[in-house]
Amino acid sequence: SQQGEEDPQALSIQEGENATMNCSYKTSINNLQWYRQNSGRGLVHLILIRSNEREKHSGRLRVTLDTSKKSSSLLITASRAADTASYFCATDRVGGANSKLTFGKGITLSVRP
Amino acid sequence: DAGITQSPRHKVTETGTPVTLRCHQTENHRYMYWYRQDPGHGLRLIHYSYGVKDTDKGEVSDGYSVSRSKTEDFLLTLESATSSQTSVYFCAISPRDSYEQYFGPGTRLTVT
Repeated sequence: SQQGEEDPQALSIQEGENATMNCSYKTSINNLQWYRQNSGRGLVHLILIRSNEREKHSGRLRVTLDTSKKSSSLLITASRAADTASYFCATDRVGGANSKLTFGKGITLSVRP
Repeated sequence: DAGITQSPRHKVTETGTPVTLRCHQTENHRYMYWYRQDPGHGLRLIHYSYGVKDTDKGEVSDGYSVSRSKTEDFLLTLESATSSQTSVYFCAISPRDSYEQYFGPGTRLTVT
């Protein structure tokens, strides 16, 4: 079963606007990660937030984690055309063996110039 | 791509033939992973390795086998390729448990 599920599936915004993407999961986690994938490329790690953290920032990225609701959000501020990509959340489950991540199906973000 | 390469990058093969994909890293990371990516399914783990000769199954391991005889190489073998194994395959590496993963560029495999 899919551990992480992103919402919405697709998002289209104007350059300069903020983009908010959500991820929900089902079981307790050690950490939650967000990855970006440009078309035809491998995934690139963006940010990792641990289960005892509530918010984390990296440049224009802000990630929140609500373990009581089993959800996370990724905010990209002042979006650029170069942010156009697919974004995936991945969870590392408590009790899981040897660092196995479970990925969601991804969100397609389009940033219009 | 964090010192990780995959070969071949593209392959077309016929149903029933064996296929081996190679993942090579120069980072000396302990953990290595094979995923497949399909529309509507996201990324799914096939097999992973937590050390030389130490491997385990992932979510979609049927029809696949792996080997890791050296730290730097992780091989994925399709014993008898089927059309359902047409996919993009990604290798990933990680230095330690519960840590971020670094992905290779992917191999696009088409089974006709």
